[in-house]
Amino acid sequence: KAGVTQTPRYLIKTRGQQVTLSCSPISGHRSVSWYQQTPGQGLQFLFEYFSETQRNKGNFPGRFSGRQFSNSRSEMNVSTLELGDSALYLCASSSGGSNSPLHFGNGTRLTVT
Amino acid sequence: QKEVEQDPGPLSVPEGAIVSLNCTYSNSAFQYFMWYRQYSRKGPELLMYTYSSGNKEDGRFTAQVDKSSKYISLFIRDSQPSDSATYLCAMWGNTGNQFYFGTGTSLTVIP
Repeated sequence: KAGVTQTPRYLIKTRGQQVTLSCSPISGHRSVSWYQQTPGQGLQFLFEYFSETQRNKGNFPGRFSGRQFSNSRSEMNVSTLELGDSALYLCASSSGGSNSPLHFGNGTRLTVT
Repeated sequence: QKEVEQDPGPLSVPEGAIVSLNCTYSNSAFQYFMWYRQYSRKGPELLMYTYSSGNKEDGRFTAQVDKSSKYISLFIRDSQPSDSATYLCAMWGNTGNQFYFGTGTSLTVIP
């Protein structure tokens, strides 16, 4: 079974731009979650989508948004990029139960200059 | 206070040693406990998934949960250089309906 696929692997953007990251979950998984990982803060929860609906949201500003499509694929968008948005963005999928373990992709490394 | 506390290390051990990695937590509502391994430039990989107190063994890995002390551990027996990675603990409880992660412990196993 193919794992979670994230594209692109690396991105370099300029402050003020916007960016869209993509995630394809494991086949059959209906839940997709997004996390931001930085050396100082560890993994911070952004949001979770289940059956195209946002089921849960972390404490990030409205510049961070996401969506999920009918095939469970998900995208995350960050608008008006700031230097502090530089991080590894991880997508994780699960079968759908709230406590089902997460299976992560290899992430998108975003650098904002 | 953070929901989950994890010593960042770094931890360096000789090959063959027994490694003990630990996390403490403050929320007694946490019911499910996980350990992930993350290699450099990769995403976290699920190692162990446990519910409630007690031990769970999988090969060289043993996960231990002590809910009364709000303390979880991961033991690695006969450690190998390929075990060199960052280990993350994670927990889930129906408070907030989300997973809470430790910041990770960096482990190096020296041949």
